[in-house]
Amino acid sequence: KNEVEQSPQNLTAQEGEFITINCSYSVGISALHWLQQHPGGGIVSLFMLSSGKKKHGRLIATINIQEKHSSLHITASHPRDSAVYICAVGGAQKLVFGQGTRLTINP
Amino acid sequence: EAGVAQSPRYKIIEKRQSVAFWCNPISGHATLYWYQQILGQGPKLLIQFQNNGVVDDSQLPKDRFSAERLKGVDSTLKIQPAKLEDSAVYLCASSLLAGIYEQYFGPGTRLTVT
Repeated sequence: KNEVEQSPQNLTAQEGEFITINCSYSVGISALHWLQQHPGGGIVSLFMLSSGKKKHGRLIATINIQEKHSSLHITASHPRDSAVYICAVGGAQKLVFGQGTRLTINP
Repeated sequence: EAGVAQSPRYKIIEKRQSVAFWCNPISGHATLYWYQQILGQGPKLLIQFQNNGVVDDSQLPKDRFSAERLKGVDSTLKIQPAKLEDSAVYLCASSLLAGIYEQYFGPGTRLTVT
């Protein structure tokens, strides 16, 4: 079993829909990261959080430390949100990455 | 603020050839990471430097991969000789320090081994 599991692996939705991507982890962490990777592009950090909830524009990230679970929500989704979203958990020294969720938003 | 720079962006080589990738981290960032990302998977850490010292290279295939960060700034990753399964995107990232600090990623180098 992977230390970081994301679901779903692939998600296709229509523009305007509310999107949720889940991340569960089995290791102790100091912080959890949500990253975005566009096709052919590098990786951009969206959030780093260790408790509670963070919001940036249409993106919301939550984490439940006791349940070892985090969610990334996208409100009013748009085709430009199409990308791979990666959850990574950080310990004392390094990050362990999930396999990513490929999101496609159709107009 | 300039981001993490990597070169080349793309490289195609034949198996058994050698290849080298270069990374220049964000100025002042002590920690530098090299990741391998195979298509459809998340990044896998190959090696982590703290200044010019190696912190973690447990997943680096040392029989063919090597990396250095001699002056604690830029870094090179080398593969010699390359195998077909080395085809991947090689990502460099840097952070102020290790641990809970945010990592900043470069654009990556896409390697194709034929």
